Amino acid sequence: EVQLVESGGGLVQPGRSLRLSCAASGFTFDDYAMHWVRQAPGKGLEWVSGISWNSGTTGYADSVKGRFTISRDNPKKSLYLQMNSLRAEDTALYYCTKVGGRGSYYKTEFEYWGQGTLVTVSS
Amino acid sequence: DIQMTQSPSSLSASVGDRVTITCRASQGISNYLAWFQQKPGKAPKSLISAASSLQSGVPSRFSGSGSGTDFTLTISSLQPEDFATYYCQQYNGYPLTFGGGTKVEIK
Repeated sequence: EVQLVESGGGLVQPGRSLRLSCAASGFTFDDYAMHWVRQAPGKGLEWVSGISWNSGTTGYADSVKGRFTISRDNPKKSLYLQMNSLRAEDTALYYCTKVGGRGSYYKTEFEYWGQGTLVTVSS
Repeated sequence: DIQMTQSPSSLSASVGDRVTITCRASQGISNYLAWFQQKPGKAPKSLISAASSLQSGVPSRFSGSGSGTDFTLTISSLQPEDFATYYCQQYNGYPLTFGGGTKVEIK
């Protein structure tokens, strides 16, 4: 059974940093691209960042480019999101997602979602 | 960026009704379109990929169609557990983008 368990969320002041983690199990982690998707309270879904299976390709939404960094540790089966210079508008539930296409970063759908970790940016 | 527009933003329906949700892309995305279901307080669940392929375990009352810019999610006979918010999402290119969601409520 595929499991994605996010952690690292919390309350943080504007301008500070936070690092999210996603622990994966139930599949061959290093075969799949992974992504972060967020959802602000009462709002819709927003793609944040993605990374290919071998970390060779990464992508970011314009809203986080230059502030957030995605990474992964395949031996540890873990995905990370380093979030710097946090803003109030970064307040959201952050989901870790696994794609369906083995070895694909492009043109592959989200297949599984974690339960999310809540990030609140407030003074 | 590819904009995804869903309609309606909300609808009220009864158990047993046929429900149709539409999603339009601002440019052609072939069939790189997914649908997700989200219940309150829960993570999204993948329903359909490639515009019309049901994910494993998804009931057959759900179906998807379309290609290019216009897509449809249909629930043939609405069940109590189907009351939720539904999102479309394109994965033809980056940045990946979602529709604004359609909330399906009980009439």
